[in-house]
Amino acid sequence: AQSVTQLDSQVPVFEEAPVELRCNYSSSVSVYLFWYVQYPNQGLQLLLKYLSGSTLVKGINGFEAEFNKSQTSFHLRKPSVHISDTAEYFCAVSPNTGGFKTIFGAGTRLFVKA
Amino acid sequence: SQTIHQWPATLVQPVGSPLSLECTVEGTSNPNLYWYRQAAGRGLQLLFYSVGIGQISSEVPQNLSASRPQDRQFILSSKKLLLSDSGFYLCAWKPGGPRPEQFFGPGTRLTVL
Repeated sequence: AQSVTQLDSQVPVFEEAPVELRCNYSSSVSVYLFWYVQYPNQGLQLLLKYLSGSTLVKGINGFEAEFNKSQTSFHLRKPSVHISDTAEYFCAVSPNTGGFKTIFGAGTRLFVKA
Repeated sequence: SQTIHQWPATLVQPVGSPLSLECTVEGTSNPNLYWYRQAAGRGLQLLFYSVGIGQISSEVPQNLSASRPQDRQFILSSKKLLLSDSGFYLCAWKPGGPRPEQFFGPGTRLTVL
């Protein structure tokens, strides 16, 4: 079984500052890793994914994430945030053995202040 | 390209009334389909998933049910709504092949009064 822990429920940050949203996971098998973003009253949109290969993955809107297998982490980063990045961010894992389900974290609310 | 539709976008229903939410996917065949619920300020709770027509797996016992009458249609139903059924309902699909990511619909906001 897999589990996902997002270590911060809310992250306030000033515009143009860097941000890191933390995600740790637990799994007995190898996994694929994802970050999704959800704007108010909308569905989830895939930001980026790690399937294999380079541990640093780049996504849309200037976000990137680094897979650290030894620390079972997949933290999301952006060097300079905008007001428009205010949203809920979800980390998720899926077993790479072909399972049907994706396990989501509880979400981190990023609030960018002017 | 693939698109996913959900309707209605918002719904206000009295306690004890029936429910039917619909989700359809275009541009793909034999997708895996999912229903999630998101309570206010909380994460996603997987309710049902389906790997094919008529094949439904339930994750959480409750007064909701799901059906998949066609390959790209997924319906969430209830005979009698409870106050606790309020929330944001999201439909998602995943390609039937090796691609692992899920793609989400725009959601339905359900308020039970």
